[in-house]
Amino acid sequence: GDQVEQSPSALSLHEGTGSALRCNFTTTMRAVQWFRKNSRGSLINLFYLASGTKENGRLKSAFDSKERYSTLHIRDAQLEDSGTYFCAAEAMGYKLTFGTGTSLLVDP
Amino acid sequence: NAGVIQTPRHKVTGKGQEATLWCEPISGHSAVFWYRQTIVQGLEFLTYFRNQAPIDDSGMPKERFSAQMPNQSHSTLKIQSTQPQDSAVYLCASSSTGGLETLYFGSGTRLTVL
Repeated sequence: GDQVEQSPSALSLHEGTGSALRCNFTTTMRAVQWFRKNSRGSLINLFYLASGTKENGRLKSAFDSKERYSTLHIRDAQLEDSGTYFCAAEAMGYKLTFGTGTSLLVDP
Repeated sequence: NAGVIQTPRHKVTGKGQEATLWCEPISGHSAVFWYRQTIVQGLEFLTYFRNQAPIDDSGMPKERFSAQMPNQSHSTLKIQSTQPQDSAVYLCASSSTGGLETLYFGSGTRLTVL
């Protein structure tokens, strides 16, 4: 079936630094959504992209359907950014296939 | 806007008992989805309703699992004769039309089958 390969599985950042998470897709996806799991376990929407890039504060996401990948860039990481981040891609219709998640820890 | 509301937050059942999970989608959203999250499988699609009609239940285990959407304000996921392997976090999500758009998730129901 369709697969979403998310990396890294874990990431540790010092406060103020940045990095990128990546999802590679084994098939052409129509859209991608990025989530962060909050302390209550809820999946909080970060971005939804059908193409191109979107930016929101210190987060920026890109999606290239043809090259089969999406990225989530975090800059100037803050302690409250710690959590688990998921990408989820939509091949056709409405079914989302989720990546395995990236556990981000931001330390002082 | 309270978001997608799921109840209960936690449910513990004994093996063989029935479990019913509830979901209230965002008001005005016509598409409702159920997903399940386990450590082994990650997040998996279960089933999807649009305008209360079942559209796709291809992710549902063939036996013991059923989902309904009797009205536009709530959906239920019922598991009969629960088994330990049913233990998971069950997530409900809604979107405006079910098309190419953002999906909004509830906080989930953590089901534990002893």
